[in-house]
Amino acid sequence: EPEVTQTPSHQVTQMGQEVILRCVPISNHLYFYWYRQILGQKVEFLVSFYNNEISEKSEIFDDQFSVERPDGSNFTLKIRSTKLEDSAMYFCASSASGGAANSPLHFGNGTRLTVT
Amino acid sequence: AQSVTQPDIHITVSEGASLELRCNYSYGATPYLFWYVQSPGQGLQLLLKYFSGDTLVQGIKGFEAEFKRSQSSFNLRKPSVHWSDAAEYFCAVGGPLNAGNNRKLIWGLGTSLAVNP
Repeated sequence: EPEVTQTPSHQVTQMGQEVILRCVPISNHLYFYWYRQILGQKVEFLVSFYNNEISEKSEIFDDQFSVERPDGSNFTLKIRSTKLEDSAMYFCASSASGGAANSPLHFGNGTRLTVT
Repeated sequence: AQSVTQPDIHITVSEGASLELRCNYSYGATPYLFWYVQSPGQGLQLLLKYFSGDTLVQGIKGFEAEFKRSQSSFNLRKPSVHWSDAAEYFCAVGGPLNAGNNRKLIWGLGTSLAVNP
């Protein structure tokens, strides 16, 4: 079964550095998402992306964050200047159709980001 | 505001015992409801979903869930738990369609399930 892949599985970075988290969604999917989970807290929606533009973003997704689909396969999340509170597990997801109940989100295994 | 509550942070059951994980939601319209499972080191895997129709839905790995509108609940059940079911279980509700015609998910805090041999 096709799956969403995320790299790296674990990223350690120093505060203030830029990080890029990479995701390869399922190839025929059109909708892409980033979620994050801070340790001990709920999974939180960050952003959804469709047709090469952001379709919705949360208040967490401030100017430090950006997403890009640089080619036909990758979907990246960039954090421009990391803060300690950005430490979390970041999940990428994709779906074939955005709103249909028969098109659920498929998640990757996540990237654990640790900011020191 | 939309929200999901999973009252049990941690549950331990014996292998072969029945299981029920609770989920309550707050949502203004008919919700899309989901249960996801996260095994250690793995991503979030969809167990089952409810959109409309029969309120008892069957999922993978022998799980089922029942939507009860009057109680705003969507509890997950399994008649006989296996050791491999030990994992983190998340209930989520799908929000309204946005401008991009897709939905974000709103998540519960998760329930950690341990299975005793």
